[in-house]
This record gives sequence, C-alpha cells and structure tokens, in this order.
Amino acid sequence: QKEVEQDPGPLSVPEGAIVSLNCTYSNSAFQYFMWYRQYSRKGPELLMYTYSSGNKEDGRFTAQVDKSSKYISLFIRDSQPSDSATYLCAMSAGNYGQNFVFGPGTRLSVLP
Amino acid sequence: DADVTQTPRNRITKTGKRIMLECSQTKGHDRMYWYRQDPGLGLRLIYYSFDVKDINKGEISDGYSVSRQAQAKFSLSLESAIPNQTALYFCATSDAGQITDTQYFGPGTRLTVL
Repeated sequence: QKEVEQDPGPLSVPEGAIVSLNCTYSNSAFQYFMWYRQYSRKGPELLMYTYSSGNKEDGRFTAQVDKSSKYISLFIRDSQPSDSATYLCAMSAGNYGQNFVFGPGTRLSVLP
Repeated sequence: DADVTQTPRNRITKTGKRIMLECSQTKGHDRMYWYRQDPGLGLRLIYYSFDVKDINKGEISDGYSVSRQAQAKFSLSLESAIPNQTALYFCATSDAGQITDTQYFGPGTRLTVL
C-alpha cells in the first residue's frame, strides 16, 4: 500500500461546478497537510497548508483534514477554466521539507 | 517560478552518458532540494541540502550525485544515465526561518534517456 493515495483522474467538470479532490494516507503520524497546484510544464506551487485536523478556507478553496479517517480533501467552489491543472496533496509528520510525502496528483479539467 | 530557474528545460541523452542538471535561485533560501516526478508515483526526493556544507540523501539517491556550489546553486548529476532515469526533475527551495517549510519549485527539466 502506498503511503499516500490519490485518484489520478482525469476529472472533467463544467465551469461553475464544485470540485472535490481527495487523498488518503496510511501514516497516522502525519500532521502537516498541503495541496499543491501544478500547471502543465510548470513546477508545483503551494495552494493550501493545514496543520492537524479541521478546515481552512482561502477564497474559493477549502481544505479539510479528517485525521480519524486518514483522509484529506480540497474543495474548489465556482470552478474556472483557469483551475485546470494537476493537484498534488503532500503531508508530513514534522514541519520539515525533506520529509514531505507527495501524492501522485489528480488531473482536473474545467470545461468552459 | 522565475525565482527558481532550472537548466536545461529539456534534455535527451543516451544510456551511459554523464549529465548535469543545474538549479539557481534568487529567493535567498538556505534549503534546496532535488525531486523527480514520474506518472503515478508523485514527487520523490533525491537529495537535499540545508546549506553549502550540508548534503543529504533522499529517498532515491542511488545513481545520482549533487553539488552545492553556493547558497544559490544546487546541481544534480547522473553519473551514467540509464533509461529508467527518464523523468521530470524539479529543484525546490525553502526558507529555514519560516514557520511553515513551504517549498518553492522551479519549472522542471524533462530528461529522456535513450
């Protein structure tokens, strides 16, 4: 079993839809959870950062962490074609970059 | 991405050749990382460096070596390239002084080993 699992997609939705992206993990020591967005031919960029459980909102984006289920989600409201990208989840037990474990990414297409 | 640059952006080479990928950053960060990205596997850490005199192996360092020439420069070498090293390679930096160890990635180098 991989330490972090993520549905690779592709996921296609119409513009304006609510998108739900998810990751599951097996290491109960993970406490730091991140979502990165990666456009084609670009490097990943940090979108959301959450420590421990709970929700965090930033504009149209909401990150949720459920440590009891070992499950994290990223919701995108009012999705736009510019949201079309690959979304990577990442997590770690400590706040040390060298320990981040990345999911394989979910490719999202938002159709106009 | 302009703060972290990688050269070359694309490279095709042959099995057995030595190749160097270069990374430069203008963010003033101490920490630098090399990752490779393969479909279905996510980003995997090859090497990381916390300062010029500190080099550490990551999850998949076999077949690779690195050099931290200066705070701003971190190079990745494949001593004798093999086809399964065909991948997308990313350099990243982070700031040791921040509360969150946010990593900033370069645009990537697409390497093909024939």
